[in-house]
Amino acid sequence: QVQLQESGPGLVKPSQTLSLTCTVSGGSISSGGYYWSWIRQHPGKGLEWIGYIYYSGSTYYNPSLKSRVTISVDTSKNQFSLKLSSVTAADTAVYYCAREERYYYDSSGLDYWGQGTLVTVSS
Amino acid sequence: EIVMTQSPATLSVSPGERATLSCRASQSVSSNLAWYQQKPGQAPRLLIYGASTRATGIPARFSGSGSGTEFTLTISSLQSEDFAVYYCQQYNNWPLYTFGQGTKLEIK
Repeated sequence: QVQLQESGPGLVKPSQTLSLTCTVSGGSISSGGYYWSWIRQHPGKGLEWIGYIYYSGSTYYNPSLKSRVTISVDTSKNQFSLKLSSVTAADTAVYYCAREERYYYDSSGLDYWGQGTLVTVSS
Repeated sequence: EIVMTQSPATLSVSPGERATLSCRASQSVSSNLAWYQQKPGQAPRLLIYGASTRATGIPARFSGSGSGTEFTLTISSLQSEDFAVYYCQQYNNWPLYTFGQGTKLEIK
């Protein structure tokens, strides 16, 4: 059974960089056909997709956040990470990592999710 | 960016009855649409992908239909555990994914 677990600081100061890691267990992040995403949810609001990474290191980011987002992968640790720079209070949200199974343009959706971690941006 | 619009924002239904939730895309997404269920304090759970294919372990009372710009999630006989928020997500415009704003399904 695949499991994902987010970890990182729950409090970040304005203008600093938010850093989170997602640890994958029960499966290899290096298995082809899986894309590893970050999604966030502002308090009481809907879901916003941040970006994804493939095990090869290929990434794609939401254009609305692209200038501030970096997603990286460490296959040796079976982890992928999110960095969001120059944060403001508007970045306060629950951050989720998730897996998507995809073969070219054929996707099976975001089938495994972490439980989410609340990150608050405040001084 | 493809905008996903869900309706209604809140749906009140009695247990045992049928619930019908709608999702509309601002342009065609073919059948590249998923539905998720989210309960308070939990991560979203994949219900449906490909507009109509149930994910592993999802009960048969959940069904999805539609293509192009109009989609429906139907829950045939509501159980107490089905009261939650439901989101649709398009992945046709890969790799830029967008979600609807959600429909809250509450007990009548």
